[in-house]
Amino acid sequence: DVKVTQSSRYLVKRTGEKVFLECVQDMDHENMFWYRQDPGLGLRLIYFSYDVKMKEKGDIPEGYSVSREKKERFSLILESASTNQTSMYLCASSPDSHQPQHFGDGTRLSIL
Amino acid sequence: AQKITQTQPGMFVQEKEAVTLDCTYDTSDPSYGLFWYKQPSSGEMIFLIYQGSYDQQNATEGRYSLNFQKARKSANLVISASQLGDSAMYFCAMRGANFGNEKLTFGTGTRLTIIP
Repeated sequence: DVKVTQSSRYLVKRTGEKVFLECVQDMDHENMFWYRQDPGLGLRLIYFSYDVKMKEKGDIPEGYSVSREKKERFSLILESASTNQTSMYLCASSPDSHQPQHFGDGTRLSIL
Repeated sequence: AQKITQTQPGMFVQEKEAVTLDCTYDTSDPSYGLFWYKQPSSGEMIFLIYQGSYDQQNATEGRYSLNFQKARKSANLVISASQLGDSAMYFCAMRGANFGNEKLTFGTGTRLTIIP
């Protein structure tokens, strides 16, 4: 079974802090994705990556950056956290564009 | 641009009844894929079923089937013989098939509650 692991289920940070959310997959998947989920808005794509050191902006990249130094790891970075970034963050991976994405359990991030 | 519309924010269904969750989509891509995911209260997204735009038959996976009507641009999820464990959020999603358009676009979801 595919395993996508997010480093924290719950995280509380303060406004202005630099926040790292880590995601690791164990199936050698090429593609990795970061989404945020807010009530009434569904899931919105922040960034995605097709390969190591490659990244593409999604629909809502402002205020975020990503890093993919190794194939199995995709990190989401909040450069200076703000209260409107309080949300559920979901990481996903897929072997290619024709296969379903597999999701981690999510990180519920609160910015105070 | 791709768009997914789920018009049912919430549904209540009696246990053992069949359920249809609506999904309509809009895209200019000639080739695309449609997915349904389930999200229980615990938060994880669980892949349920996939339909390719050129598939001749409607997809089925156990109690799940996808009623794909290409001309109407609809991809409704049908759950037969509903169970209490089916209570969850359900998301419809679409993905383009061309390079650079592989991202998933999600609908806003339907919260399904199964009543004993």
